[in-house]
Amino acid sequence: EVQLVQSGTDMKKPGATVRISCTVSEHPFTDYFIQWVRQAPGKGLEWMGLLNPEDGISINAEKFQDRLTLSADTSADTAYMDLHSLRSEDTAIYFCATSADLDSHFVSWGQGTLVAVSS
Amino acid sequence: DIVMTQSPDFLTVSPGERATINCRSSQSVLYTSNNKNYLAWYQQKPGQPPKLLIYWASTRESGVPDRFTGSGSGTDFTLTISSLQAEDVAVYYCQHYYSTPFTFGPGTKVEIK
Repeated sequence: EVQLVQSGTDMKKPGATVRISCTVSEHPFTDYFIQWVRQAPGKGLEWMGLLNPEDGISINAEKFQDRLTLSADTSADTAYMDLHSLRSEDTAIYFCATSADLDSHFVSWGQGTLVAVSS
Repeated sequence: DIVMTQSPDFLTVSPGERATINCRSSQSVLYTSNNKNYLAWYQQKPGQPPKLLIYWASTRESGVPDRFTGSGSGTDFTLTISSLQAEDVAVYYCQHYYSTPFTFGPGTKVEIK
């Protein structure tokens, strides 16, 4: 089973950028699409975007179009999510997950990373 | 965007009884070219990431107990837990992956009576 390990809790001020890493245990890393999902405290799941590590092409949800950057370092089997211009409503747990294809179910999930945004 | 709705919001079931969760999409998630419904179900327990239970609307993920069954097609789907166990207490989400954005339903919280 593929294991995904995410970076730890992060606290940021409004306007800052947060970077979350997601390291995938299985090779080759480029066999998977990386999906990003967040969950605000006590709320449901929100899809943010996806990345194809093989070619670096990403698709962002329109809500995050200008603020979200997805990338990967294939030599380190690691994907990154950068969320810019943080606001308090970005406080959430952020998850990465893998899917076999762009339009496929999310099989394996990271443990989640709490990002708290507060002045 | 495809909007996903679920019912009920909360479900309280006695141990051993059946639990039924409904999910509806605002447009069909059935690709006629391959006859697959692009619909998954996830289980999330407190403090844990979601766990894939069902994909393609009715295919059980490896290791998922057979008391979990997914059914439906087009726009209407159901997750059935045939005999609720204490470890099934969780929030259940449906999600489509037909086209981006891959939206989730709002979740159904299942509790033991």
